[in-house]
Amino acid sequence: GAGVSQSPSNKVTEKGKDVELRCDPISGHTALYWYRQSLGQGLEFLIYFQGNSAPDKSGLPSDRFSAERTGGSVSTLTIQRTQQEDSAVYLCASSTDTANYGYTFGSGTRLTVV
Amino acid sequence: EDQVTQSPEALRLQEGESSSLNCSYTVSGLRGLFWYRQDPGKGPEFLFTLYSAGEEKEKERLKATLTKKESFLHITAPKPEDSATYLCAVQIRGSTLGRLYFGRGTQLTVWP
Repeated sequence: GAGVSQSPSNKVTEKGKDVELRCDPISGHTALYWYRQSLGQGLEFLIYFQGNSAPDKSGLPSDRFSAERTGGSVSTLTIQRTQQEDSAVYLCASSTDTANYGYTFGSGTRLTVV
Repeated sequence: EDQVTQSPEALRLQEGESSSLNCSYTVSGLRGLFWYRQDPGKGPEFLFTLYSAGEEKEKERLKATLTKKESFLHITAPKPEDSATYLCAVQIRGSTLGRLYFGRGTQLTVWP
């Protein structure tokens, strides 16, 4: 597609449930990033993929968070046993290898844990 | 500790009233400084990248400048459609290629 696509756009879940967030990057973009944007906070880095491997997953806040990427394309961010503090907008971005021209972000998934 | 600080947090301008947004950074080594615009309910949209002190970039009513300690986003004769949150971010030498460290943003409102 022409842009980065994320789904769902909104997700409300009960505390303790697992959720999966999907990111479909721009075709041909080898680098993929996940960020989290909490109310009143700056964007917080979660994980970086180059192809299917994740050389930097240092931003994942706990072992309840995991992510994978398949076929060098679609990525899924999974949060297990969700907590209220996980409520945020989860943003995915993709770029060419060099990332010199800035990422292209998707519109995000707004996650609300009740 | 590496830090990116944006000011002011919020700015209200009348249409045509020029102003500047500030992004100050304290990093061990700057690889690049990025400006993004974010509209409500949308992801950030890339505006500029600056790499070295003295560099300037322009796009329509926006001009970004960079010094060794800070960057300014100058808005000349703004229009209501310039209303958005403007985010500053840095890439740091020695960190993951492409990983950005963001400030909290400046929310700009331009009223007619």
